[in-house]
Amino acid sequence: AQSVTQPDIHITVSEGASLELRCNYSYGATPYLFWYVQSPGQGLQLLLKYFSGDTLVQGIKGFEAEFKRSQSSFNLRKPSVHWSDAAEYFCAVDGTGFQKLVFGTGTRLLVSP
Amino acid sequence: EAQVTQNPRYLITVTGKKLTVTCSQNMNHEYMSWYRQDPGLGLRQIYYSMNVEVTDKGDVPEGYKVSRKEKRNFPLILESPSPNQTSLYFCASSSTGEGIQETQYFGPGTRLLVL
Repeated sequence: AQSVTQPDIHITVSEGASLELRCNYSYGATPYLFWYVQSPGQGLQLLLKYFSGDTLVQGIKGFEAEFKRSQSSFNLRKPSVHWSDAAEYFCAVDGTGFQKLVFGTGTRLLVSP
Repeated sequence: EAQVTQNPRYLITVTGKKLTVTCSQNMNHEYMSWYRQDPGLGLRQIYYSMNVEVTDKGDVPEGYKVSRKEKRNFPLILESPSPNQTSLYFCASSSTGEGIQETQYFGPGTRLLVL
């Protein structure tokens, strides 16, 4: 069965510092990979997705993610965090290609001044 | 504006009192889905629908019903709510392209408390 692991429940980063959020998945083949962000009281917004091709994917709001097949990872990065990035971030995979998303448990990002 | 809407946004009810949470999308999407979000568990799929009159169970369907009589609407029905259904619910929709993984768009969420 597919599974997604986000090992960090909370992360605190200083404003202006770099960010990396970890995501590991378990699936036999390369699934479709996604990162979503959920701001307080809001729904989920897609940051970026990986289907195939270049393993470094650019998304909105200055985020990027790198797919590493050998590590079954899809880590999210941002070079300089802004206070408005404080939110919960979810990694998700679809191993079927039929829209069935399996989500990780999320990482809550706190940004300190 | 392309969007997924849910109503109500907040709901407090009592055990056993039937309720319906509505979901509507204006993007002519074929695919629609319901998720529930619980602390420490992320989002889990309840039911999904590939098109009108085509629905199927997700990972946690017990205690829920859905229907898809129109393309734009996908209501979630709790026939006899119980406290363990207290949760944050999200509706999502996307188009379906052959061999293409389309992005799912999420509604704003419905926070349900069952007493």
